[in-house]
Amino acid sequence: NAGVTQTPKFQVLKTGQSMTLQCAQDMNHNSMYWYRQDPGMGLRLIYYSASEGTTDKGEVPNGYNVSRLNKREFSLRLESAAPSQTSVYFCASRRDRYNEQFFGPGTRLTVL
Amino acid sequence: SQQGEEDPQALSIQEGENATMNCSYKTSINNLQWYRQNSGRGLVHLILIRSNEREKHSGRLRVTLDTSKKSSSLLITASRAADTASYFCATDARGDGLTFGKGTHLIIQP
Repeated sequence: NAGVTQTPKFQVLKTGQSMTLQCAQDMNHNSMYWYRQDPGMGLRLIYYSASEGTTDKGEVPNGYNVSRLNKREFSLRLESAAPSQTSVYFCASRRDRYNEQFFGPGTRLTVL
Repeated sequence: SQQGEEDPQALSIQEGENATMNCSYKTSINNLQWYRQNSGRGLVHLILIRSNEREKHSGRLRVTLDTSKKSSSLLITASRAADTASYFCATDARGDGLTFGKGTHLIIQP
């Protein structure tokens, strides 16, 4: 099992460009999450999907959109990137609410 | 907003010693989880303790939870160089995602 995979690993964008971060899990988990981690900080929740077909905003959703493509895949889109979105992005999944989460290796994004 | 706050922010100890990290939080929770993050890597789940539990063990890890004080502690016994990492507590209040603290950076000196 690969667990949670994320692509790409690194990305550099110019202000105003768009991109989609991909996430997939092979553990048959129902819930999936996107977090961002800024230097010296803990993770903050951007969006989550409690089950296939549903998505909800987290703590810091502005400037992002998500798509739960199917049970395995959950993508995060930046429509018009801004320097404030420079961060490391982590995808996570878990079987159900109130369980432990499994994290991907992260995508390091720099917006110039 | 950060729900959990770890203390200390950084901790340096000798190999073989015990390391204790504390976490305080603000609202009622269903469970509290501890994660480890090695530099430049993703987070790895260590232990989950539910609000009706007071103590939990996993190998060299011991976690306590005091819901009346809204606090938790993580004890790592007989530390090893490989334990060098950042440790985060995360609270799970409504099952819609975790709220993380800023972490404790632990350095184990050989």
